[in-house]
Amino acid sequence: DAGVIQSPRHEVTEMGQEVTLRCKPISGHNSLFWYRQTMMRGLELLIYFNNNVPIDDSGMPEDRFSAKMPNASFSTLKIQPSEPRDSAVYFCASSFFSGYEQYFGPGTRLTVT
Amino acid sequence: GEDVEQSLFLSVREGDSSVINCTYTDSSSTYLYWYKQEPGAGLQLLTYIFSNMDMKQDQRLTVLLNKKDKHLSLRIADTQTGDSAIYFCAESINTGTASKLTFGTGTRLQVTL
Repeated sequence: DAGVIQSPRHEVTEMGQEVTLRCKPISGHNSLFWYRQTMMRGLELLIYFNNNVPIDDSGMPEDRFSAKMPNASFSTLKIQPSEPRDSAVYFCASSFFSGYEQYFGPGTRLTVT
Repeated sequence: GEDVEQSLFLSVREGDSSVINCTYTDSSSTYLYWYKQEPGAGLQLLTYIFSNMDMKQDQRLTVLLNKKDKHLSLRIADTQTGDSAIYFCAESINTGTASKLTFGTGTRLQVTL
């Protein structure tokens, strides 16, 4: 299996622009997670899905962030408009069920100037 | 709260044993995990322990679980320079309707020659 796939690996954008991050989970996994990692705040869970349905989005910072999972093999995390404080590494992870071990993608390093 | 706590930094000499400690909060956690993050990469699952176990050994890794004190540790025998990374512990939290993993702050392991 190719593991969790994320794209792009790096994204540099200007403040105010829309940013879309993409994730393909491991085939057969039912749960998908979006995390953000910064030096200041560590690893934060933003949102997670079970069977394509959002279960807990309490970690989404504000209305500028949105996430979708239209099918079992694809998810997006969108930031609109982006701000410099959104600069971080964004990880997607998937697991067979939400309480089981998670497998992480390589992350997308986002820089907002 | 759902805080999982770890010390921030550990430095050991190559060839020595490393012990990374973690305290968790949810006594009903069914699984506890150790992840490794190398620079520029995502989190990689190292090992896990089921909550009814006290110890699990996997090659150079030994996991000890003290349920009474809610304390988890990871011992790395014969530590090598390639073990330098950030190590995260995580517990499985059941929220009634779903489960998720709560990660600790991470311990940065530095291996010196």
